Amino acid sequence: GENVEQHPSTLSVQEGDSAVIKCTYSDSASNYFPWYKQELGKRPQLIIDIRSNVGEKKDQRIAVTLNKTAKHFSLHITETQPEDSAVYFCAAGGGADGLTFGKGTHLIIQP
Amino acid sequence: KAGVTQTPRYLIKTRGQQVTLSCSPISGHRSVSWYQQTPGQGLQFLFEYFSETQRNKGNFPGRFSGRQFSNSRSEMNVSTLELGDSALYLCASSLISLGYGYTFGSGTRLTVV
Repeated sequence: GENVEQHPSTLSVQEGDSAVIKCTYSDSASNYFPWYKQELGKRPQLIIDIRSNVGEKKDQRIAVTLNKTAKHFSLHITETQPEDSAVYFCAAGGGADGLTFGKGTHLIIQP
Repeated sequence: KAGVTQTPRYLIKTRGQQVTLSCSPISGHRSVSWYQQTPGQGLQFLFEYFSETQRNKGNFPGRFSGRQFSNSRSEMNVSTLELGDSALYLCASSLISLGYGYTFGSGTRLTVV
C-alpha cells in the first residue's frame, strides 16, 4: 500500500516569512495529492490539491509543487500570518485504497 | 448547503461494549469515508462506502464495520471496545469516490475507559 512521509513534524517561522512542508510517497500509481489544514479542536479542511498531470498549483499565498519522478510534493505558504498556525496534513491517493495521510506538521507562526 | 454531520460529538464507553457512530454527508455526495485520528498514528483510513457498497477497507480488525444507507448516510460500528480504540473518528464525504475533494465532519470523540 501507499506510504506517506511528512517533514518536519514541527515548523516555527516568523510572521511574514515563508513556510515549506515536504512529503514523499511510495506508490507511483497515486495521482491525487491534497493538503489539509486542521486548527485545534476543528475538522481538517482541504486547502489545496494537485493532480499528477500538473507540476504546480497556486492559490493566493499557498502553492503546491509535485515532482512525480522523485515522488515528492511540497506545500509553500508565503507571507505567513497568525491564522496560518495549525496542523497541516499531506495525503496521496486517488486509487482504490483511498487517501493515505502523512503524520502532520504543526506550523507555529511567531509574532 | 449543510456540511457533513457526525453524531454524537462525544462518547464515553467501557471496554467490551460496542458503539455506533453516524455520519450524514453533504447532500448529493455518494461517497463516505471513515478515518481514525490519534496523536500517535495520525489519520488512518478505515473504509469507504459508495452507493451503499464498501469500496475499500483499511488495515483494521474485523471489530470495525460500517454500512451505508440508500440516502448516503453512513454508520460505523465498533464491537468489543478496547482502550486503544479511544480516538477521534472522522468521516469525509465526497461527490465521487477515491478520496477526491473530501469534506470532513467535525468528528466523534470516543473515549474507552
